[in-house]
Formats: sequence, structure tokens, C-alpha cells
Amino acid sequence: QQQVKQSPQSLIVQKGGISIINCAYENTAFDYFPWYQQFPGKGPALLIAIRPDVSEKKEGRFTISFNKSAKQFSLHIMDSQPGDSATYFCAASRRGNTGKLIFGQGTTLQVKP
Amino acid sequence: DAGITQSPRHKVTETGTPVTLRCHQTENHRYMYWYRQDPGHGLRLIHYSYGVKDTDKGEVSDGYSVSRSKTEDFLLTLESATSSQTSVYFCAIKLARDTDTQYFGPGTRLTVL
Repeated sequence: QQQVKQSPQSLIVQKGGISIINCAYENTAFDYFPWYQQFPGKGPALLIAIRPDVSEKKEGRFTISFNKSAKQFSLHIMDSQPGDSATYFCAASRRGNTGKLIFGQGTTLQVKP
Repeated sequence: DAGITQSPRHKVTETGTPVTLRCHQTENHRYMYWYRQDPGHGLRLIHYSYGVKDTDKGEVSDGYSVSRSKTEDFLLTLESATSSQTSVYFCAIKLARDTDTQYFGPGTRLTVL
């Protein structure tokens, strides 16, 4: 059972455009929602994260929008750059001492110059 | 990279042979995780550890065992490798009990022929 569903699987955006990746979760006990960025041959790296007590979090060009009632959250990349080309994963977990992350399937983003 | 190293970085083995992957951290973090990454599945948790000799199963633990005899090392063993275990394996650490961020190692690419 896939508890976190991510879409689209791949995305092509022109430089300067907005990239939007969506995730939906099933378990209402989840209370931590990170986004990871992964470049080829590297491990995933935390990009930005949100908790359900806020509806939006912004860090530079990256914004998470969170809709608790719909059980959805999304990553927006403003002014997308070729250097943003990577695979992006959403994830979710229950806060606690184990920290087990449930990941989405991943989105491969290509930003064209 | 939070002082995480994985070894080997690449390995090719044959079906039925045992394989051990090593994750080493230099900062005495209590929580360590093993994930596998496969196309279309994102990352899935295999096993995790919350202390020396304290381990538990993740969502895809069948065919894998782990050991943690000292804080800095978390070993993942495939007792009898199968082709379905061909994957990229990532180790991750969490800094503390009341934090959520996980930091990932560089990964091990395992091919089972």
C-alpha cells in the first residue's frame, strides 16, 4: 500500500518558469512532511520541510503548500534554473523517536535553458 | 554529508551469495536507517536502529538482516542475494530523538546477477 503518492513522474520546465510537484498522503497521523532533492549519483538531501500547523513554508525559491483537509502538499520552485534539474522526493512521517520516513515515488525535473 | 560513509560504493555479486553493506558515521548519532531506492518506488525503509543492538524492521525487510554492535557502524546483510535485491542502498542518520531530519549517505549500487 502506497501511503504517499507523488505526481508527476517527470516534469520539464523552461528556465525561469515555475515547477510544481504534488503529493498526497493517506495516514492522518503523519505530522512531518519533508522534500528531498537528489542529484545523479548522490544521496537525497533535505530541501525543505513543513509541519501541519502551517499552510505554507517558503525558503528562497522553494515553497511548500500544505492542505491538511485534502491530505495534500506540494513543492513549488519559483524561477526554476537548470541547476534545479534533479529528482525530487516528498516524504512523510509521524513525529516520534523512530523517524521512519515514507517516500513518494519521485519526480525527475528537467529545467531547460 | 553528516559524516556518513558507505562501503562498498559499488558491488556486483551472484545470486545466492551473501553480501554485507556497511554504513559508518563519525558523530555518534543514535538513529540509523537503511533504505533501498528503485525506479517507481522512491526510497523504502528496510531496517532501522535506535541504539547499539536495538534494531527493528521497516516496510521491505524480507531477505535482509542488520546488526549494530557499536554506535558508528550499521551493517546490512543479504543472507542469500537474489536478483530482486539489485538496487541502490542508502544509509541515513537522524541527529536526535526529537528531531526529524534525516541525512543520507552517498549510497551503494548493488547488482545481483
